[in-house]
Amino acid sequence: DSGVTQTPKHLITATGQRVTLRCSPRSGDLSVYWYQQSLDQGLQFLIQYYNGEERAKGNILERFSAQQFPDLHSELNLSSLELGDSALYFCASSVEGGRNSPLHFGNGTRLTVT
Amino acid sequence: GQQVMQIPQYQHVQEGEDFTTYCNSSTTLSNIQWYKQRPGGHPVFLIQLVKSGEVKKQKRLTFQFGEAKKNSSLHITATQTTDVGTYFCASGAGSYQLTFGKGTKLSVIP
Repeated sequence: DSGVTQTPKHLITATGQRVTLRCSPRSGDLSVYWYQQSLDQGLQFLIQYYNGEERAKGNILERFSAQQFPDLHSELNLSSLELGDSALYFCASSVEGGRNSPLHFGNGTRLTVT
Repeated sequence: GQQVMQIPQYQHVQEGEDFTTYCNSSTTLSNIQWYKQRPGGHPVFLIQLVKSGEVKKQKRLTFQFGEAKKNSSLHITATQTTDVGTYFCASGAGSYQLTFGKGTKLSVIP
């Protein structure tokens, strides 16, 4: 158990809809990352937060947004969903968010867009 | 973030054979991290290498960081069925974000 909690585990929704994925980091970790993993694909970095502030942005679509709240949990919002958004979305956390900080991943949210 | 290329993409080995995956970059890396993702699971941090020429061992796993800090390898001796999964390298030189390689998917035939 990594200590990172992601909800829900599974989401099935229709094209055009909006969903929210939730992540609670490990106790003591200040930084949260979001990654997208499509079938047989690697981990695509979406966005990183550190102590409530956006720290780094990857290939995140404009239809996607995220935030980290004062209690350090994070939410990833995906809107105007398309079939291609179907993927496994991982949240990870680290203590300080620097490049030498190991990431601890949650179990992921599997999103299916129909 | 730094681009890291991993080879091979897939590897099938007989149980008991050795396995190696390589991670290469065209630029110098400040560090390299290795993760393992079991089928249906999430990536799990294995190790981090920081120094040029560094070698670290974890039981049957040997991790190396190249002298020029542009490549790294993960070698598994005498694979077991529990080694099945995808192995990712990741690096974040010059930025906060970690960029992951596409991974090497290891299958072990009993």
